[in-house]
Amino acid sequence: SQTIHQWPATLVQPVGSPLSLECTVEGTSNPNLYWYRQAAGRGLQLLFYSVGIGQISSEVPQNLSASRPQDRQFILSSKKLLLSDSGFYLCAWSQGPGGYEQYFGPGTRLTVT
Amino acid sequence: RKEVEQDPGPFNVPEGATVAFNCTYSNSASQSFFWYRQDCRKEPKLLMSVYSSGNEDGRFTAQLNRASQYISLLIRDSKLSDSATYLCVVNAGGADGLTFGKGTHLIIQP
Repeated sequence: SQTIHQWPATLVQPVGSPLSLECTVEGTSNPNLYWYRQAAGRGLQLLFYSVGIGQISSEVPQNLSASRPQDRQFILSSKKLLLSDSGFYLCAWSQGPGGYEQYFGPGTRLTVT
Repeated sequence: RKEVEQDPGPFNVPEGATVAFNCTYSNSASQSFFWYRQDCRKEPKLLMSVYSSGNEDGRFTAQLNRASQYISLLIRDSKLSDSATYLCVVNAGGADGLTFGKGTHLIIQP
């Protein structure tokens, strides 16, 4: 069966510090991968998606970036965090593009102070 | 106009009652529809897909009305464990995946 891992579970970082969140998927190959952010009391916002190694599409211009160095690894990064980057970051995978159901990792709760 | 709209609630419902949520979507080209459940401070989890003919999974029934562009979720014999936020999710066929509503908060009271 497929599983998706994210770490760390919780992170507190000062403004201006860098960020690296990692997501890995097991039990499937060539998944579509997604990064979402959920701010307190708000809906899910799609940040990035990837259909293959090295292929990243950005949905929202911001100080975040994503990379996919391996088929089942997806990384979210920032060089300098802003207060507004606080939120619940969720990685998800799907079997194909578009209309397939997505499965989420446990998420990383980021607080920027 | 928001792409996927839901009543945020909260819906306060006594245990054992039947509760229904609706969700409307704006893109008539949408092809895939889902309901997800999200518990407090947890990740969303797929509850059920929504098919054109309607579908049922135990106490849960989902229906799709393409003409009016809405999706419904019915929960019968509600349990305390059904308390959660229910997310309506739609896809219009693009590669960028799914569009999530902000969710309806359900509280089942003993």
